[in-house]
Amino acid sequence: QKEVEQNSGPLSVPEGAIASLNCTYSDRGSQSFFWYRQYSGKSPELIMFIYSNGDKEDGRFTAQLNKASQYVSLLIRDSQPSDSATYLCAVKGQTAGNKLTFGGGTRVLVKP
Amino acid sequence: NAGVTQTPKFRILKIGQSMTLQCTQDMNHNYMYWYRQDPGMGLKLIYYSVGAGITDKGEVPNGYNVSRSTTEDFPLRLELAAPSQTSVYFCASINQGSGYTFGSGTRLTVV
Repeated sequence: QKEVEQNSGPLSVPEGAIASLNCTYSDRGSQSFFWYRQYSGKSPELIMFIYSNGDKEDGRFTAQLNKASQYVSLLIRDSQPSDSATYLCAVKGQTAGNKLTFGGGTRVLVKP
Repeated sequence: NAGVTQTPKFRILKIGQSMTLQCTQDMNHNYMYWYRQDPGMGLKLIYYSVGAGITDKGEVPNGYNVSRSTTEDFPLRLELAAPSQTSVYFCASINQGSGYTFGSGTRLTVV
């Protein structure tokens, strides 16, 4: 059973601070890694994806991947109340079909 | 360009009833997926399709069936609904490479 693990939270951060979210995965052959944001009652929306070891930045978001340690993280800089949501980590493995395995999500609360 | 469209948005079923959740995409994507999301949980893959006429089981296929007669449509059929099927169902599609595009979801309650 391929697993993706996340701390369920809630992760409470003050407005303007950095939120740091972590995700570990069990399938060492995983190829691609995705972060989705999901507001309550809404569908997941893609924030960013990363394929290679290291950091990838997109605006206030930075994804970090370490394949040797099998973890991927997401940093949210200058956190805003509108960033309050559940963040889902998803991993694409080696099998056919472009299937994603999702973690349970981390709930983030940004307090003004 | 509507993306991925799911209907209905909400539905209440009685135990033992059947229904079809509709999913249509207008992006000409080959790959389509059905996930369910239970409260406070991540998404679990039910079925997926890599193209018209080709479907395969995901992690939690029991109690469901799918078909893919066209590129655009990927309906999910629930036969003999059970309370354990109470969930939010998301349809998603992808061409290749990057992340999924999700529909808005169907919230199903089985009573």
